[in-house]
Amino acid sequence: AQSVTQLDSHVSVSEGTPVLLRCNYSSSYSPSLFWYVQHPNKGLQLLLKYTSAATLVKGINGFEAEFKKSETSFHLTKPSAHMSDAAEYFCVVDNQGGKLIFGQGTELSVKP
Amino acid sequence: DTAVSQTPKYLVTQMGNDKSIKCEQNLGHDTMYWYKQDSKKFLKIMFSYNNKELIINETVPNRFSPKSPDKAHLNLHINSLELGDSAVYFCASSHQAELQETQYFGPGTRLLVL
Repeated sequence: AQSVTQLDSHVSVSEGTPVLLRCNYSSSYSPSLFWYVQHPNKGLQLLLKYTSAATLVKGINGFEAEFKKSETSFHLTKPSAHMSDAAEYFCVVDNQGGKLIFGQGTELSVKP
Repeated sequence: DTAVSQTPKYLVTQMGNDKSIKCEQNLGHDTMYWYKQDSKKFLKIMFSYNNKELIINETVPNRFSPKSPDKAHLNLHINSLELGDSAVYFCASSHQAELQETQYFGPGTRLLVL
């Protein structure tokens, strides 16, 4: 069965410093992996997705994630945090048939 | 221009009532979904329809009944509302119900049962 584990429930960074949100996955086949962002009282927006084309995936707003099969990880990074990045981030794996399995979420806080 | 829209945005109701949440997508997608986000922000799929046909039905109480009048709409009807139904309900759509398909989410409906 597919699953994802987000290793941090809350991450706090200062504006202008790097962001690292950690995600490990478990899958019995080559997975499709996604990162979604949810701003307060808003819907979910796709940041990026991995579909086996390239291990380093670039997304919107300067985010990127690297698929590492040996470590079963798909960590999300950004070189320099902005205040507007403060939100809830979800790592997601795609089960067969379009059934998305969500991680528990990581709340990112950005301090001025 | 809204791709996936839901109404209402907020819904406050009494226990025991019946309510509906509507979802519409204008992306021309064949597949639509309902997800529930609980108070701890955990998201779980409830239902999925492909071309008006039910393809995913998780272990959801039968008080919840999705209805798809056409492939652009997927409504969620909830009978005999309970306190535990309080949550945010998200509708989503994708081109197909296949691996690697991106799902596009609506803004959510915040349901509070008193």
